[in-house]
Amino acid sequence: NAGVTQTPKFQVLKTGQSMTLQCAQDMNHNSMYWYRQDPGMGLRLIYYSASEGTTDKGEVPNGYNVSRLNKREFSLRLESAAPSQTSVYFCATIHSRTGETEAFFGQGTRLTVV
Amino acid sequence: LAKTTQPISMDSYEGQEVNITCSHNNIATNDYITWYQQFPSQGPRFIIQGYKTKVTNEVASLFIPADRKSSTLSLPRVSLSDTAVYYCLLGGFKTIFGAGTRLFVKA
Repeated sequence: NAGVTQTPKFQVLKTGQSMTLQCAQDMNHNSMYWYRQDPGMGLRLIYYSASEGTTDKGEVPNGYNVSRLNKREFSLRLESAAPSQTSVYFCATIHSRTGETEAFFGQGTRLTVV
Repeated sequence: LAKTTQPISMDSYEGQEVNITCSHNNIATNDYITWYQQFPSQGPRFIIQGYKTKVTNEVASLFIPADRKSSTLSLPRVSLSDTAVYYCLLGGFKTIFGAGTRLFVKA
C-alpha cells in the first residue's frame, strides 16, 4: 500500500523547458491536490481536483496546468519553466466528509529551474 | 474561506509542554479543526482533529473552546524530534495551509 506516489523526486530544468510531474494514489479518495513549498514558507495550493473529471484553481495557478487522468492520477504540467517555479512540489489526497478532512502527502518533487 | 492565524515561531526545551494556539474567528459551522506536522524535506502529516471541547490521542491534545474561534494544540513533554512546523487548518475541499508555526526544541 504505497499511499501517494510522486515522480520524479528531483528534477533540474532549464528556463523555458516543459515537464510533467506525476502523482498517483491508491487510497481510492476522490480529491487530489498540488501544492508548492518555497524555502522557509508554508504550502501554497496550485490546483485541486475535487473528483475525477473536475479541476479548479488554487492560490497560485499561473504557469501551471493539471490533468485528472482518472481517479488515481493527477498530473501537474509546467509548459515553460521559469526560475520562480523553483520549489518543492507536493501532491496530496484528502479524505473529506462533512467538515472532517485528513490529508495524505507524497514525498515531494524538488524542482530547480536554472 | 475562513482564515487561521498562528504564531510564526516558538522555542521550547526538552521535557516541557508546548501549547500552540490558532485563531479562526470566522470558522464555519461544519468545519473541523485539523493540525498537521511537517519535518524538513517531507510532506505534512496528520496529528489530530477535533470539532469542539477536547480531543486527545497518543501524540497530542487539542483544546477547542465553546465559541470555536480558536484552538490550542498541546504537545506533552516535547523532545528534540518534535522540532517541526505545525499547521492549523479548517475543513473543506479547498484546503489552505498558512505559514504554520516553527517549533524549535532545544536540549
